[in-house]
Amino acid sequence: QKEVEQNSGPLSVPEGAIASLNCTYSDRVSQSFFWYRQYSGKSPELIMSIYSNGDKEDGRFTAQLNKASQYVSLLIRDSQPSDSATYLCAVIRVMGGGNKLTFGTGTQLKVEL
Amino acid sequence: EAQVTQNPRYLITVTGKKLTVTCSQNMNHEYMSWYRQDPGLGLRQIYYSMNVEVTDKGDVPEGYKVSRKEKRNFPLILESPSPNQTSLYFCASSLNQRVNTGELFFGEGSRLTVL
Repeated sequence: QKEVEQNSGPLSVPEGAIASLNCTYSDRVSQSFFWYRQYSGKSPELIMSIYSNGDKEDGRFTAQLNKASQYVSLLIRDSQPSDSATYLCAVIRVMGGGNKLTFGTGTQLKVEL
Repeated sequence: EAQVTQNPRYLITVTGKKLTVTCSQNMNHEYMSWYRQDPGLGLRQIYYSMNVEVTDKGDVPEGYKVSRKEKRNFPLILESPSPNQTSLYFCASSLNQRVNTGELFFGEGSRLTVL
């Protein structure tokens, strides 16, 4: 079982719709959860972080965390073509020698006109 | 401008020819790390450094070396490159106290092809 799992996609949504990106993780003691956005040919950039169960909203983005079910999701409201990118889920796991940030393989999002 | 700079951005080389990918950051970050990104495998950590003269292995360190003689620089060395090291490489940095917030700043990436 992968430590952080994401559906590779592509996930296609029409402009203006809600895009829902999901991520599951295997280690129950994971503490912190992040979403990075990576445009094609570019480097990842941090867009959201969430540490507690529930929702966290930032503009058109909402991160949702459910530790009991071990999943974290990212909702993008009013999707725009500029949101087309690969979204990487990342999780900090508590390790013996220190905390470790592990990335999923990413979900490609395509927002169509 | 705050940035992480990698060089070269693109490189084609042959098996066994030693190469170094440089990484430099101007944000006075203690933490620096190297990742490789491959289709279907995502970002995997190669080595990281919490400060000058302190380096540790990540998930896939085999075939790579690093050094951290200065705070701003963290070069990645491939002593004898092999085709399975063909990949997209990213350098990242952060303040130590921000690492647990997942706040990494990435360089633009170096695409390496080993023939």
